[in-house]
Amino acid sequence: EAQVTQNPRYLITVTGKKLTVTCSQNMNHEYMSWYRQDPGLGLRQIYYSMNVEVTDKGDVPEGYKVSRKEKRNFPLILESPSPNQTSLYFCASSSRATGNTEAFFGQGTRLTVV
Amino acid sequence: AQRVTQPEKLLSVFKGAPVELKCNYSYSGSPELFWYVQYSRQRLQLLLRHISRESIKGFTADLNKGETSFHLKKPFAQEEDSAMYYCALTGHSNTGKLIFGQGTTLQVKP
Repeated sequence: EAQVTQNPRYLITVTGKKLTVTCSQNMNHEYMSWYRQDPGLGLRQIYYSMNVEVTDKGDVPEGYKVSRKEKRNFPLILESPSPNQTSLYFCASSSRATGNTEAFFGQGTRLTVV
Repeated sequence: AQRVTQPEKLLSVFKGAPVELKCNYSYSGSPELFWYVQYSRQRLQLLLRHISRESIKGFTADLNKGETSFHLKKPFAQEEDSAMYYCALTGHSNTGKLIFGQGTTLQVKP
């Protein structure tokens, strides 16, 4: 089954404790991205990657890091989480093929930083 | 600047009533427009895209380039349509970057 898998689904952590949220896709998609979803603000892009070893900042990259060492994986790293990073996070992937740009989303990771 | 605007945070209608979720965009070029839906406790999923010109679950959306709009419509709302709806666009450069609106919560009352 074609899908995007995020782990963990729920995470409560303390300020300053490094954490990683994993994202994996099995559709051989070139493009992957991370979004955060906050009430009234919709989905905002944090980072994206157009292919292996190619990453770039989205609209709200501060406090986050990413890496793309393999095509299927795109982890989101919070080196020193702060309470304002409490949010619902989504990973997404899509193909760059013309006419086939549908984005597939993970189940979401609800992060609480206390 | 590239932007998607959904002016309504919440739209509440009764079952059987018509629904129109508004979406306006700003983009210098020819974007590809989408509607994504998020049902309670589920992941976002594609509802429809303008290039397909299809009707999904009774929903349709027409791209109006003159008004830069892509409103989502359904003639008779059902309770199972209750969800969060996001309008999104991607540019012709095909980088895969999606720009989302703020989302509209549709509430269909019995």
